[in-house]
Amino acid sequence: DTEVTQTPKHLVMGMTNKKSLKCEQHMGHRAMYWYKQKAKKPPELMFVYSYEKLSINESVPSRFSPECPNSSLLNLHLHALQPEDSALYLCASSQVGQTNEQFFGPGTRLTVL
Amino acid sequence: AQSVTQLGSHVSVSEGALVLLRCNYSSSVPPYLFWYVQYPNQGLQLLLKYTTGATLVKGINGFEAEFKKSETSFHLTKPSAHMSDAAEYFCAVSDLWGAQKLVFGQGTRLTINP
Repeated sequence: DTEVTQTPKHLVMGMTNKKSLKCEQHMGHRAMYWYKQKAKKPPELMFVYSYEKLSINESVPSRFSPECPNSSLLNLHLHALQPEDSALYLCASSQVGQTNEQFFGPGTRLTVL
Repeated sequence: AQSVTQLGSHVSVSEGALVLLRCNYSSSVPPYLFWYVQYPNQGLQLLLKYTTGATLVKGINGFEAEFKKSETSFHLTKPSAHMSDAAEYFCAVSDLWGAQKLVFGQGTRLTINP
């Protein structure tokens, strides 16, 4: 299985809502990533988990809260988002300690009203 | 710090013509280089990668790229474009074993004219 799955595919939320994005992989990768991608731009790294521990936080606002409950799952909890947070959120995974070849999921299209 | 420059934010070619997407990188150590493709409203798919060894790398869908250290380039080519190649293409670099960060170029949108 060489697939990274993400749910939901689309999400619309108000600025006072709390929602979560989910990501799952079964490739045995021990590094997982969250990216934010705006239209016509490259992905921007948000968080990196290595062996289920947060290793990189790219100064992301606290309204985004990541969680890695086990080696296969990655969540992104959302609370009090702003309209400018609307974007495609991509999850990726890779082996740790190698070339950093990352496998991406299909993304969640988030719209904040 | 490493960086990636993709020359041309938009490239347009005719169906059947040569595709050439340019990527130059900056890295203080031998890099690992990747090309990803992104179709509309989808995630990124790895086309090909250079890690070590042969400098001409073949990927999926008929694409290939050549690592040229002297020119710090990793240009992507395909001999004959197909309509299905229309997408956004990103070049990326990682220059440390286990660095956990990919540095992406700004992307090149490829349009295929019938």
